[in-house]
Amino acid sequence: EAQVTQNPRYLITVTGKKLTVTCSQNMNHEYMSWYRQDPGLGLRQIYYSMNVEVTDKGDVPEGYKVSRKEKRNFPLILESPSPNQTSLYFCASSPNRGGFGEQFFGPGTRLTVL
Amino acid sequence: AQTVTQSQPEMSVQEAETVTLSCTYDTSENNYYLFWYKQPPSRQMILVIRQEAYKQQNATENRFSVNFQKAAKSFSLKISDSQLGDTAMYFCAFTTNTGNQFYFGTGTSLTVIP
Repeated sequence: EAQVTQNPRYLITVTGKKLTVTCSQNMNHEYMSWYRQDPGLGLRQIYYSMNVEVTDKGDVPEGYKVSRKEKRNFPLILESPSPNQTSLYFCASSPNRGGFGEQFFGPGTRLTVL
Repeated sequence: AQTVTQSQPEMSVQEAETVTLSCTYDTSENNYYLFWYKQPPSRQMILVIRQEAYKQQNATENRFSVNFQKAAKSFSLKISDSQLGDTAMYFCAFTTNTGNQFYFGTGTSLTVIP
């Protein structure tokens, strides 16, 4: 089944404890992206990747890191999480640059930073 | 700067009636793509409909259609014969032909009343 998977689905952590949210797609898509969703703010793009080893900042990259060492994986790293990073996170992938192809979203990761 | 505005935080509609959700956007680009995504209580993001800016004809998908007014930078979604399963948050989104970023509005929460 074609899908985007994210792990974990739920995470409660404490300020400053490094964490990684994994994202994997099995559709051989080139484009991958991370978003955060907050009430009243909609979805905001954190980082995106056009292909392996090619990543770029979205609108809200502060406090996050990403890497794209393999085509299928695009982990989101929070080196020192803070409470303002409590949010719902989505990973998405697309067969080509977002505008040309539909974005397929993962199920979301609910992160709480205490 | 690219922005997407949804001015209706909440809406409701009677089952079987028609409802229109509004979206405006701002860009200096001439070629771009517009989308409506649906997010039901399951939180999964589902593409409802997509419109290419260079196409004059409004996109339709079954009960869903758009009214795309390029000069006014308006992209509204019409849902006909509303069903209980249409209850969801709806996001308008936008990406350009030259850029790789996605921009989402703040969402409209739609409730279909039996």
